[in-house]
Amino acid sequence: QSVLTQPPSVSGAPGQRVTISCTGSSSNIGAGYDVHWYQQLPGTAPKLLIHGDTNRPSEVPDRFSGSKSGTSASLAITGLQAEDEADYYCQSYDNSLSGYVFGTGTKVTVL
Amino acid sequence: QLQLQESGPGLVKPSETLSLTCTVSGGSITSNTYYWAWIRQPPGKGLEWIATIYYSGSSYYNPSLKSRVTISVDTSKNQFSLRLSSVTAADTAVYYCARQWTHSGRYFDYWGQGTLVSVSS
Repeated sequence: QSVLTQPPSVSGAPGQRVTISCTGSSSNIGAGYDVHWYQQLPGTAPKLLIHGDTNRPSEVPDRFSGSKSGTSASLAITGLQAEDEADYYCQSYDNSLSGYVFGTGTKVTVL
Repeated sequence: QLQLQESGPGLVKPSETLSLTCTVSGGSITSNTYYWAWIRQPPGKGLEWIATIYYSGSSYYNPSLKSRVTISVDTSKNQFSLRLSSVTAADTAVYYCARQWTHSGRYFDYWGQGTLVSVSS
């Protein structure tokens, strides 16, 4: 049972904007710990998408953006493309569990 | 280009010990910028952090697994390893090794391809 909750699925048509929420608590996101996001294409290892709440590695398209407020964070994908169909996970640190935690994961479907 | 490669048995019997090794190439495991970590993913489920180690040997464990897990590092071989004892079917998962930054939020920026370990008699 993860302490970071994500919607199980989101969907959108090509070109649309979708957002994925990551809801935590005062012991993780609310405590100020950074939130990171990973994309996992079917049958592959996760890939870093966003680090430090909002920072995008150079090879990640600028269609992906992250934000954080209070005890939650969000990943936005604008201009949705078929290749964005994947599972997405948020990750942070939890000081009550004394460990790194992942979100429950969200499957993005491109209609 | 950094690469991480997991290796070890794909099948382990219940109650026995799972042992995996991650070989790092294209970079040094003794860099003071990075930790090295193990993460697992049961079939069809989410990601779970298992343990993290620094090249000096300092280690950190998921409290829920700590009693059964040992992480170690061999700097001469540029490898780090995982041992998980008393395994059950619940430990069946794809096991990933990954590089983890020592600062800036300690995210995992490079991952191995993963190796499936099944626990079955």
